[in-house]
Amino acid sequence: DIQMTQSPSSLSASVGDRVTITCQASQDISNYLNWYQQKPGKAPKLLIYDASNLETGVPSRFSGSGSGTDFTFTISSLQPEDIATYYCQQYDNLPGFGPGTKVDIK
Amino acid sequence: QVQLQESGPGLVKPSQTLSLTCTVSGGSISSGGYYWSWIRQHPGKGLEWIGYIYYSGSTYYNPSLKSRVTISVDTSKNQFSLKLSSVTAADTAVYYCGGSSQRSYFDYWGQGTLVTVSS
Repeated sequence: DIQMTQSPSSLSASVGDRVTITCQASQDISNYLNWYQQKPGKAPKLLIYDASNLETGVPSRFSGSGSGTDFTFTISSLQPEDIATYYCQQYDNLPGFGPGTKVDIK
Repeated sequence: QVQLQESGPGLVKPSQTLSLTCTVSGGSISSGGYYWSWIRQHPGKGLEWIGYIYYSGSTYYNPSLKSRVTISVDTSKNQFSLKLSSVTAADTAVYYCGGSSQRSYFDYWGQGTLVTVSS
């Protein structure tokens, strides 16, 4: 059973700041890692798939990197509409989600 | 544009079976390539994958729920369904149906439906 951890669990940043979230898998998952954005009361939205590929229509300020066990999600310039909780998800065998990182504006 | 919509009771009594259906529109479940999924989110908590089904009927379940979960598909109605037996208050959650491309990422999601387990 692959365990996913995310850090930090929450963060506050100013508009325009660079925001970085990390996700770590308990074993090597290659690049089988996706990132989602979830706003309150809404379904999650896919942002990044296969660790670094930007989903169609997603702004380019979002990016992802990493492979193996360590992954990074970055918002290059935080916007007010980016306030949400972000989840990583692995699919090495059966899928599993990280615990989430709540992002808000300072 | 593929759209998914969950339906089913919002209130279930303890020890009973939770039953939800997801109707897919804008595309055919039988077209292949997608695994049709159920994911839940306990109030204020993270996401938990429950299981998914291929149009052929092949199923994969979260080991922690496997003994209580059945996912089925009705290609004639373009629907798939979730049954979760012997529910307790711990099964109170928002239940999402979704579509997973080749068992990788979830790019289709329903709006979610809150199911409360209470007598």
